[in-house]
Amino acid sequence: EVQLVESGGGLVQPGGSLRLSCAATGFTFSNYWMSWVRQAPGKGLEWVANINQLGSEKYYVDSVKGRFTISRDNAKNSLYLQMNSLRAEDTAVYYCTREKTGRFDAFDIWGQGTMVTVSS
Amino acid sequence: QLVLTQSPSASASLGASVKLTCTLSSGHSNYAIAWHQQQPEKGPRYLMKLNSDGSHSKGDGIPDRFSGSSSGAERYLTISSLQSEDEADYFCQTWGTGIHVFGTGTKVTVL
Repeated sequence: EVQLVESGGGLVQPGGSLRLSCAATGFTFSNYWMSWVRQAPGKGLEWVANINQLGSEKYYVDSVKGRFTISRDNAKNSLYLQMNSLRAEDTAVYYCTREKTGRFDAFDIWGQGTMVTVSS
Repeated sequence: QLVLTQSPSASASLGASVKLTCTLSSGHSNYAIAWHQQQPEKGPRYLMKLNSDGSHSKGDGIPDRFSGSSSGAERYLTISSLQSEDEADYFCQTWGTGIHVFGTGTKVTVL
């Protein structure tokens, strides 16, 4: 079964750090671009960052540039999001997603999400 | 600027049909989009990728009741024979150089 499972969410104080992980199973992880998408409570979806198959090409939404870093380990079939200097507005459910076939494409697989709460 | 516009809500009776619209911003009328469903308290689920010519590829297990079509800058999702479990938020998504964009979503209510 094709599956993405996120972990690492939790409560963190403003200015703190958190590292999210996403474990991929059921497909050849190293063949796909991968993304993180977030959803603030009661709000819509916002793309956060993506990464190419080798980890050599990365893109970010402006609001997280310089604070968040996306990475991957193809040997472990895992995707990561290192989040530093966290702000209250980063509070959201974070989803790991797969891009369908190529460089920037539809998200065809979603994880169940992990909640990140930034609060003192 | 790449923007997707969706109506905030739509409703139809059980067993009827509903057609949702996602409109691409000026200059982007040839872009493909994707439709995603988010049921209450659940994560999103991929429904289909929809091209500008109306061709589409659905995700695994998506019922035939879900179909897509295109006209100019508008992309449509039609849900036929509405069922109670179709009550959900529906988001469209597109992508450009270095960016992914989502519409604000349409909440579908089954009457």
